[in-house]
Amino acid sequence: EVQLVESGGGVVRPGGSLRLSCAASGFTFDDYGMSWVRQVTGKGLEWVSYIGWHGGRIGYADSVKGRFTISRDNAKNSLYLQMNSLRAEDTALYYCARSMRDWGDHYYMDVWGKGTTVTVSS
Amino acid sequence: EIVLTQSPATLPVSPGERATLSCRASQSVSSSLAWYQQKPGQAPRLLIYGASTRATGIPARFSGSGSGTEFTLTISSLQSEDFAVYYCQQYNNWPPWTFGQGTKVEIK
Repeated sequence: EVQLVESGGGVVRPGGSLRLSCAASGFTFDDYGMSWVRQVTGKGLEWVSYIGWHGGRIGYADSVKGRFTISRDNAKNSLYLQMNSLRAEDTALYYCARSMRDWGDHYYMDVWGKGTTVTVSS
Repeated sequence: EIVLTQSPATLPVSPGERATLSCRASQSVSSSLAWYQQKPGQAPRLLIYGASTRATGIPARFSGSGSGTEFTLTISSLQSEDFAVYYCQQYNNWPPWTFGQGTKVEIK
Protein backbone atom coordinates (compact mmCIF):
# COMPACT_ATOMS: atom_id res chain seq x y z
CA GLU A 1 0.00 0.00 0.00
CA VAL A 2 1.29 3.43 -0.93
CA GLN A 3 1.58 5.47 2.25
CA LEU A 4 2.94 8.79 3.48
CA VAL A 5 3.21 9.47 7.22
CA GLU A 6 4.13 12.91 8.50
CA SER A 7 5.62 13.63 11.90
CA GLY A 8 7.45 16.35 13.76
CA GLY A 9 4.66 18.84 14.28
CA GLY A 10 4.11 20.57 17.58
CA VAL A 11 3.85 23.86 19.41
CA VAL A 12 6.67 26.36 18.95
CA ARG A 13 7.16 30.00 19.87
CA PRO A 14 7.37 32.71 17.21
CA GLY A 15 10.90 32.84 15.85
CA GLY A 16 11.47 29.20 16.68
CA SER A 17 12.28 26.22 14.48
CA LEU A 18 10.75 22.87 13.72
CA ARG A 19 11.65 20.01 11.39
CA LEU A 20 8.89 18.00 9.78
CA SER A 21 9.45 14.51 8.40
CA CYS A 22 7.48 12.39 5.96
CA ALA A 23 8.08 8.66 5.77
CA ALA A 24 7.17 7.05 2.47
CA SER A 25 6.37 3.41 1.84
CA GLY A 26 4.78 1.19 -0.79
CA PHE A 27 6.47 2.81 -3.78
CA THR A 28 9.94 3.57 -5.14
CA PHE A 29 10.54 6.85 -3.36
CA ASP A 30 13.39 8.10 -5.51
CA ASP A 31 11.27 7.83 -8.66
CA TYR A 32 9.08 10.74 -7.53
CA GLY A 33 9.21 14.39 -6.68
CA MET A 34 7.58 15.35 -3.40
CA SER A 35 5.72 18.37 -2.07
CA TRP A 36 4.59 19.97 1.16
CA VAL A 37 1.14 21.57 1.27
CA ARG A 38 -0.42 23.27 4.29
CA GLN A 39 -3.91 24.08 5.42
CA VAL A 40 -5.02 26.49 8.10
CA THR A 41 -7.94 25.08 10.08
CA GLY A 42 -11.15 25.77 8.21
CA LYS A 43 -9.33 27.32 5.25
CA GLY A 44 -8.04 26.25 1.87
CA LEU A 45 -4.89 24.54 0.67
CA GLU A 46 -1.57 26.29 0.13
CA TRP A 47 1.34 24.69 -1.69
CA VAL A 48 4.55 25.25 0.30
CA SER A 49 7.45 23.54 -1.42
CA TYR A 50 8.53 20.92 -3.97
CA ILE A 51 11.67 18.84 -4.42
CA GLY A 52 12.55 16.74 -7.45
CA TRP A 53 13.36 13.05 -7.23
CA HIS A 54 17.08 13.66 -6.95
CA GLY A 55 16.82 16.92 -5.03
CA GLY A 56 18.10 18.95 -7.94
CA ARG A 57 14.91 20.91 -8.54
CA ILE A 58 13.43 22.83 -5.64
CA GLY A 59 10.76 25.50 -5.34
CA TYR A 60 9.08 27.45 -2.53
CA ALA A 61 6.06 29.60 -2.03
CA ASP A 62 6.99 33.24 -1.50
CA SER A 63 5.44 33.08 1.98
CA VAL A 64 8.13 30.64 3.18
CA LYS A 65 11.09 31.39 0.91
CA GLY A 66 14.25 32.03 2.89
CA ARG A 67 12.78 30.51 6.07
CA PHE A 68 11.88 26.94 5.08
CA THR A 69 14.17 24.34 3.52
CA ILE A 70 12.96 21.17 1.84
CA SER A 71 15.21 18.13 1.58
CA ARG A 72 15.02 14.39 1.13
CA ASP A 73 16.99 11.26 1.97
CA ASN A 74 16.24 8.64 -0.67
CA ALA A 75 18.13 5.98 1.27
CA LYS A 76 15.67 6.47 4.13
CA ASN A 77 12.59 7.03 1.95
CA SER A 78 12.06 10.28 3.76
CA LEU A 79 11.13 13.87 3.01
CA TYR A 80 11.85 16.78 5.33
CA LEU A 81 10.85 20.38 5.86
CA GLN A 82 13.11 22.50 8.06
CA MET A 83 11.10 25.49 9.25
CA ASN A 84 12.98 28.43 10.78
CA SER A 85 11.89 31.88 11.92
CA LEU A 86 8.37 30.59 12.41
CA ARG A 87 5.48 33.03 12.51
CA ALA A 88 1.93 32.79 13.81
CA GLU A 89 0.71 32.64 10.22
CA ASP A 90 2.64 29.39 9.70
CA THR A 91 0.19 27.66 12.04
CA ALA A 92 -1.43 24.95 9.95
CA LEU A 93 -1.77 21.27 9.19
CA TYR A 94 1.15 20.28 6.97
CA TYR A 95 0.69 17.53 4.40
CA CYS A 96 3.34 15.80 2.36
CA ALA A 97 2.25 14.68 -1.07
CA ARG A 98 3.74 12.62 -3.87
CA SER A 99 4.13 14.55 -7.10
CA MET A 100 3.27 12.63 -10.25
CA ARG A 101 4.50 13.75 -13.65
CA ASP A 102 1.69 14.50 -16.08
CA TRP A 103 3.54 15.72 -19.15
CA GLY A 104 6.68 17.71 -19.77
CA ASP A 105 7.66 19.41 -16.56
CA HIS A 106 4.19 19.40 -15.01
CA TYR A 107 3.38 17.54 -11.81
CA TYR A 108 0.17 16.99 -9.86
CA MET A 109 -0.15 15.52 -6.35
CA ASP A 110 -1.61 12.04 -6.36
CA VAL A 111 -0.96 10.64 -2.88
CA TRP A 112 -1.26 12.59 0.37
CA GLY A 113 -0.40 11.86 3.95
CA LYS A 114 -2.74 12.62 6.85
CA GLY A 115 -0.73 15.62 7.94
CA THR A 116 1.05 16.92 11.02
CA THR A 117 -0.04 20.01 12.95
CA VAL A 118 2.23 22.98 13.54
CA THR A 119 1.16 25.63 16.03
CA VAL A 120 3.19 28.81 16.39
CA SER A 121 2.17 30.63 19.54
CA SER A 122 3.70 32.47 22.45
CA GLU B 1 1.09 33.96 -9.66
CA ILE B 2 -1.93 32.31 -11.24
CA VAL B 3 -5.13 32.89 -9.30
CA LEU B 4 -7.85 30.24 -9.44
CA THR B 5 -11.40 31.33 -8.67
CA GLN B 6 -13.93 28.64 -7.85
CA SER B 7 -17.67 29.10 -7.99
CA PRO B 8 -19.97 28.82 -6.30
CA ALA B 9 -18.49 28.89 -2.80
CA THR B 10 -21.29 26.63 -1.60
CA LEU B 11 -23.47 24.37 -3.72
CA PRO B 12 -26.62 22.87 -2.18
CA VAL B 13 -27.55 19.69 -4.05
CA SER B 14 -30.02 16.90 -3.41
CA PRO B 15 -28.77 13.29 -3.54
CA GLY B 16 -29.10 11.91 -7.04
CA GLU B 17 -28.87 15.34 -8.66
CA ARG B 18 -26.07 16.64 -10.84
CA ALA B 19 -23.50 19.05 -9.45
CA THR B 20 -21.46 21.39 -11.63
CA LEU B 21 -18.44 23.16 -10.13
CA SER B 22 -16.46 25.86 -11.89
CA CYS B 23 -12.80 26.88 -11.71
CA ARG B 24 -11.46 29.90 -13.57
CA ALA B 25 -7.76 30.70 -13.97
CA SER B 26 -6.37 34.24 -14.18
CA GLN B 27 -4.26 33.13 -17.15
CA SER B 28 -4.03 30.02 -19.26
CA VAL B 29 -2.91 26.83 -17.51
CA SER B 30 -3.38 24.70 -20.64
CA SER B 31 -4.75 21.37 -19.36
CA SER B 32 -2.56 21.29 -16.24
CA LEU B 33 -5.40 21.33 -13.79
CA ALA B 34 -6.33 18.89 -11.04
CA TRP B 35 -9.39 18.48 -8.85
CA TYR B 36 -9.30 17.21 -5.27
CA GLN B 37 -12.01 16.17 -2.84
CA GLN B 38 -11.62 16.78 0.87
CA LYS B 39 -13.92 15.48 3.58
CA PRO B 40 -13.80 16.79 7.17
CA GLY B 41 -10.79 15.51 9.06
CA GLN B 42 -9.29 13.87 5.98
CA ALA B 43 -6.49 14.65 3.57
CA PRO B 44 -7.32 15.80 0.05
CA ARG B 45 -7.95 13.02 -2.46
CA LEU B 46 -7.04 13.36 -6.13
CA LEU B 47 -10.06 13.04 -8.41
CA ILE B 48 -9.00 14.44 -11.78
CA TYR B 49 -5.72 15.45 -13.40
CA GLY B 50 -4.94 16.82 -16.83
CA ALA B 51 -8.30 18.61 -16.58
CA SER B 52 -10.26 15.51 -17.60
CA THR B 53 -8.49 12.27 -16.63
CA ARG B 54 -9.93 10.42 -13.67
CA ALA B 55 -7.42 9.23 -11.11
CA THR B 56 -7.19 5.57 -10.24
CA GLY B 57 -10.30 4.26 -8.48
CA ILE B 58 -12.41 7.38 -9.02
CA PRO B 59 -16.00 6.57 -10.01
CA ALA B 60 -17.20 7.43 -13.49
CA ARG B 61 -19.79 9.85 -12.09
CA PHE B 62 -16.92 12.33 -11.66
CA SER B 63 -15.87 14.07 -14.85
CA GLY B 64 -13.70 17.06 -15.65
CA SER B 65 -13.60 19.31 -18.67
CA GLY B 66 -12.06 22.51 -19.94
CA SER B 67 -8.73 23.95 -20.93
CA GLY B 68 -6.99 27.29 -20.88
CA THR B 69 -8.78 29.34 -18.25
CA GLU B 70 -12.18 27.69 -17.80
CA PHE B 71 -12.69 24.32 -16.12
CA THR B 72 -15.62 22.31 -14.83
CA LEU B 73 -15.99 19.38 -12.47
CA THR B 74 -19.27 17.53 -12.86
CA ILE B 75 -20.68 14.95 -10.50
CA SER B 76 -23.42 13.29 -12.50
CA SER B 77 -25.53 11.86 -9.68
CA LEU B 78 -24.53 12.85 -6.18
CA GLN B 79 -24.08 10.08 -3.66
CA SER B 80 -24.06 10.63 0.10
CA GLU B 81 -20.28 10.16 0.19
CA ASP B 82 -19.76 12.99 -2.33
CA PHE B 83 -20.73 15.79 0.03
CA ALA B 84 -17.38 17.43 0.65
CA VAL B 85 -15.19 20.38 -0.31
CA TYR B 86 -13.67 20.34 -3.80
CA TYR B 87 -10.51 22.20 -4.79
CA CYS B 88 -9.01 22.87 -8.19
CA GLN B 89 -5.23 23.26 -8.51
CA GLN B 90 -3.06 24.40 -11.40
CA TYR B 91 0.34 22.88 -12.03
CA ASN B 92 1.18 24.58 -15.31
CA ASN B 93 3.21 27.44 -13.86
CA TRP B 94 5.37 27.21 -10.79
CA PRO B 95 6.40 28.32 -8.36
CA PRO B 96 3.87 28.56 -6.99
CA TRP B 97 1.38 25.86 -7.78
CA THR B 98 -1.92 27.36 -6.71
CA PHE B 99 -5.27 26.14 -5.46
CA GLY B 100 -8.72 27.59 -5.74
CA GLN B 101 -10.48 28.56 -2.53
CA GLY B 102 -12.78 25.54 -2.69
CA THR B 103 -16.44 24.74 -3.31
CA LYS B 104 -18.42 23.08 -0.57
CA VAL B 105 -21.04 20.67 -1.88
CA GLU B 106 -23.71 20.33 0.79
CA ILE B 107 -26.98 18.51 1.15
CA LYS B 108 -29.94 20.52 -0.04
